[in-house]
Amino acid sequence: EDKVVQSPLSLVVHEGDTVTLNCSYEVTNFRSLLWYKQEKKAPTFLFMLTSSGIEKKSGRLSSILDKKELSSILNITATQTGDSAIYLCAVSGLQGAQKLVFGQGTRLTINP
Amino acid sequence: GAVVSQHPSRVICKSGTSVKIECRSLDFQATTMFWYRQFPKQSLMLMATSNEGSKATYEQGVEKDKFLINHASLTLSTLTVTSAHPEDSSFYICSARRGAARGNTEAFFGQGTRLTVV
Repeated sequence: EDKVVQSPLSLVVHEGDTVTLNCSYEVTNFRSLLWYKQEKKAPTFLFMLTSSGIEKKSGRLSSILDKKELSSILNITATQTGDSAIYLCAVSGLQGAQKLVFGQGTRLTINP
Repeated sequence: GAVVSQHPSRVICKSGTSVKIECRSLDFQATTMFWYRQFPKQSLMLMATSNEGSKATYEQGVEKDKFLINHASLTLSTLTVTSAHPEDSSFYICSARRGAARGNTEAFFGQGTRLTVV
């Protein structure tokens, strides 16, 4: 059974700090790994990673995939209170290439 | 960009009644849509995969007779919670992925439906 584990489950930092969120997975015939940000309603897409070692960057957020270690990290630099959210990691595997299996999420709180 | 629209965003119903939630892909055809359930402070739990023109595929532990899924067209999937009970109160979200079934396209989510059964 495909499995996604995120850590930490909860993280509280001060504005301006840099944070690193982790995602590890066990999946048959890996296809892709996706990061989402969820505030009050539905998740919004951040990144999709399919190749190992290639960093994807969007403003203060960046992410990279390590297929050897079966993991990914999401970095947020110079955090702002608006970054407070639940960050979800999901993977696609062999069991239904379009199906996403989600991790538990990391609840990030940025204090002013 | 691709948009998935979900309706209603919030519904309150009486115990024993049925509630229908709609999920539409607005600018692309989705042969497959997914229905998730999310409890407070928890992650998304996949309930079922909705397949256009065929039966839905339910995840283990999800009652197919309680959560009826219909995917009658390439842009619309519906989830009907039948004989709702208070324990069915939750946040339900649908999603769809554009493109071939290779698993390398992003998934777009509907706005979610918060169901409260009283």
